[in-house]
Amino acid sequence: AQSVSQHNHHVILSEAASLELGCNYSYGGTVNLFWYVQYPGQHLQLLLKYFSGDPLVKGIKGFEAEFIKSKFSFNLRKPSVQWSDTAEYFCAATALGQGGKLIFGQGTELSVKP
Amino acid sequence: DGGITQSPKYLFRKEGQNVTLSCEQNLNHDAMYWYRQDPGQGLRLIYYSQIVNDFQKGDIAEGYSVSREKKESFPLTVTSAQKNPTAFYLCASSTRSTAGYEQYFGPGTRLTVT
Repeated sequence: AQSVSQHNHHVILSEAASLELGCNYSYGGTVNLFWYVQYPGQHLQLLLKYFSGDPLVKGIKGFEAEFIKSKFSFNLRKPSVQWSDTAEYFCAATALGQGGKLIFGQGTELSVKP
Repeated sequence: DGGITQSPKYLFRKEGQNVTLSCEQNLNHDAMYWYRQDPGQGLRLIYYSQIVNDFQKGDIAEGYSVSREKKESFPLTVTSAQKNPTAFYLCASSTRSTAGYEQYFGPGTRLTVT
């Protein structure tokens, strides 16, 4: 069955620390990958996406993610986190021909200490 | 402003009552989706619709029903058959694209059933 898994449920970092959140997917064929973020009290919004091309994808607010096909991974990174990055982060995947159905990971709650 | 609206933000119902959650979009998107968000489980797909007058079950459709009579609207009814209806419900929409589908989310409705 198609699935997306996120390695960490809760990550706590100090400001200026580097961030890497793991995401693995199990899909056959061509896959589209996303990272969404949910700030406290706000809409779920798109951080970045990978459809094709350069496997290193840059998103908003200094986030980036690398698609590694051989590892079925799409990890999210940020060199230096800020207190305002405190949020819940979701990895998601869909495949062409699936009608746009997104499969989400369980989410990772990031807490950044000032 | 273009976007997705969900109403109400908070909804309280007694057990055994059906309740309908509203979702409206003015993005001219063809596809619309309903997800349920529970702590530690990410988002799970309830129903989706790729076009007016057509919809498909997602992964957890039991106890829910939908309609898609207009392109802009995709209401979700939580019936008394849903065993654990208390949750945060998110509606999303997307445009159909050969490159894949990016979904835009509404602010959500938090349903509490007692």
